[in-house]
This record gives sequence, C-alpha cells and structure tokens, in this order.
Amino acid sequence: EAEVAQSPRYKITEKSQAVAFWCDPISGHATLYWYRQILGQGPELLVQFQDESVVDDSQLPKDRFSAERLKGVDSTLKIQPAELGDSAMYLCASSFGQFGEQYFGPGTRLTVT
Amino acid sequence: AQKITQTQPGMFVQEKEAVTLDCTYDTSDPSYGLFWYKQPSSGEMIFLIYQGSYDQQNATEGRYSLNFQKARKSANLVISASQLGDSAMYFCAMRETIYNQGGKLIFGQGTELSVKP
Repeated sequence: EAEVAQSPRYKITEKSQAVAFWCDPISGHATLYWYRQILGQGPELLVQFQDESVVDDSQLPKDRFSAERLKGVDSTLKIQPAELGDSAMYLCASSFGQFGEQYFGPGTRLTVT
Repeated sequence: AQKITQTQPGMFVQEKEAVTLDCTYDTSDPSYGLFWYKQPSSGEMIFLIYQGSYDQQNATEGRYSLNFQKARKSANLVISASQLGDSAMYFCAMRETIYNQGGKLIFGQGTELSVKP
C-alpha cells in the first residue's frame, strides 16, 4: 500500500539552529500539505502545494519558515532559526486532487532546546 | 469562520462495547466534507471515515459509523465493539471547499479514547 514518507522521524535541535524536514507524497498525488501539531491540539495547516505552486501559506511564519516543492513531487520544510515554540509534530499529507482524501505521513517530532 | 468543536477531552469505554465521540461544526459553506482521524501514540494520522455535506446516508466503514445530523451541525463518530487497539486520540476535521482556496482540513482539539479490558 502506498504511503507518505517523512524524514527524520525525530529531531532535536538547539534554538537558533536551522532544521529541515522532508516529505515524499504518494505517487501521483498533486496536492501536498504541511501541518503543525502542537502537543494537545489538532493539526493546523502551514502550507499547501498544488504541484509545485503554493496554494495557501497564510499561516506559515515566513520570517523563519520556508517550504518548497521544486519538481512537484517531494517537498522540504525548513525552519531558520528554530525557536523553543517550534517544538511540535510536523505532519505531511497528500491527496490526489485539491479536495481529495488526505493521507498523512508518520510525522517528524521536533524538539527545540 | 469554520470551526470544529470536540467537547470530550477524554473518554473511557469497556472492551466490546460501543462508544460515541462527539463533534460539532460551524460553517456557512453549503458544501463541505467531514472527516474522522485516529492518532495513536506513535503520531501518524489514520483516516477512518468521511461524510459529504450532500450525502443522504450516514457513512459507515467497518466498525466505524458517522452519525450525521446536518440541521444540528453534528458529526459524531460511533465505534462499535471497541477493541484495545482503539485506544488513541480521535480528531474530527472539516474540509473547506471554497474553489482556489485549497482543501485544507480544520481540526478539532481531539478526544482521547481509552478502552478498558
């Protein structure tokens, strides 16, 4: 069964350092989402791609976060510099179309010290 | 603005019994989708069931069913014959359907379900 891949699964970094997460969606899924989930809360969308184009990045803190999906396949989410408040689970999801069922990856659990 | 409310932070159920997890939503969009996801302690979000706003019948998937009451704006998840492996966080989510503004999911706060042997 096809799955969304994410790496790393866990990341510990010191504040002010740079950190990057990678996501490989299910083959053929044009829409890719990055969500952030703070402990005890539901996930919130950071950025959505349709192929290589950004559809929604209204909740992405652009002063420190960046996301790209250069060839419309896999995607990288970067934080520079990391802050203590960035500690969270970062979830990637993909769907066949803009309104299709979203399948989630295993997530990257980030701890900033 | 669209909003999802889950009022039960935690629930307990005896193994083999049924349990209902509550979810209410708020939207002015006539077209929307409602989802339930399961999140075990390992962290991945597992899709359980989907209900479209125009669907006439309640959705069912195996032991999961969605009690959709459109006029009351509720979409409760019913799990029949609970199993120990059902212990997890459960999230209700709603999908925006405004064209060209994406299909992002808006999640509730979640309900932690514990199944007792």
